[in-house]
Amino acid sequence: AAGVIQSPRHLIKEKRETATLKCYPIPRHDTVYWYQQGPGQDPQFLISFYEKMQSDKGSIPDRFSAQQFSDYHSELNMSSLELGDSALYFCASSGGPGVLSGDTEAFFGQGTRLTVV
Amino acid sequence: GIQVEQSPPDLILQEGANSTLRCNFSDSVNNLQWFHQNPWGQLINLFYIPSGTKQNGRLSATTVATERYSLLYISSSQTTDSGVYFCAVGTRGGADGLTFGKGTHLIIQP
Repeated sequence: AAGVIQSPRHLIKEKRETATLKCYPIPRHDTVYWYQQGPGQDPQFLISFYEKMQSDKGSIPDRFSAQQFSDYHSELNMSSLELGDSALYFCASSGGPGVLSGDTEAFFGQGTRLTVV
Repeated sequence: GIQVEQSPPDLILQEGANSTLRCNFSDSVNNLQWFHQNPWGQLINLFYIPSGTKQNGRLSATTVATERYSLLYISSSQTTDSGVYFCAVGTRGGADGLTFGKGTHLIIQP
């Protein structure tokens, strides 16, 4: 079965640079979520989109922005990168026929490991 | 916001042993998921279980929503079960983000 696809898998950037992470949700899923997981930490929710509109917002820094496009893929844009932004970034998606019965199960991609040097 | 507490934080077992992981949450939830994060960082869905009981092979889970806890049972542990087990909850439905617990770090020794 198709899963959530994230690219790139690994990314190395210097301080103050910008980075763009991409996420392709499971086909027919209309909701996308972004999470950040620091070393040894639990994943922290950043932001979500439903039908291309921002739906919920977590602890996303002002230097980060995201959007969901007409084909439902999403991009997380990160500017003025700091050493503390080094983390594993996950995208997740939910939706599809299960929503009709209240099923909101989220499925996660393999993550993008961002290293800021 | 909602608080999610997992116990124990660390667990070391011999291959073949059984274990019970617990997740307590501080408010009503409409989404509860258990994940296994393997040593390569992948978050693997184990159960979507806002209430009730489910089983999948050697794993089973029970959520008692009225008492605000969930349990994950692992039987006949294998070394490949090693990793971090996360409980994550959602409270508002729709596209709200999940709040994760700190996880249980499980090591299965051969």
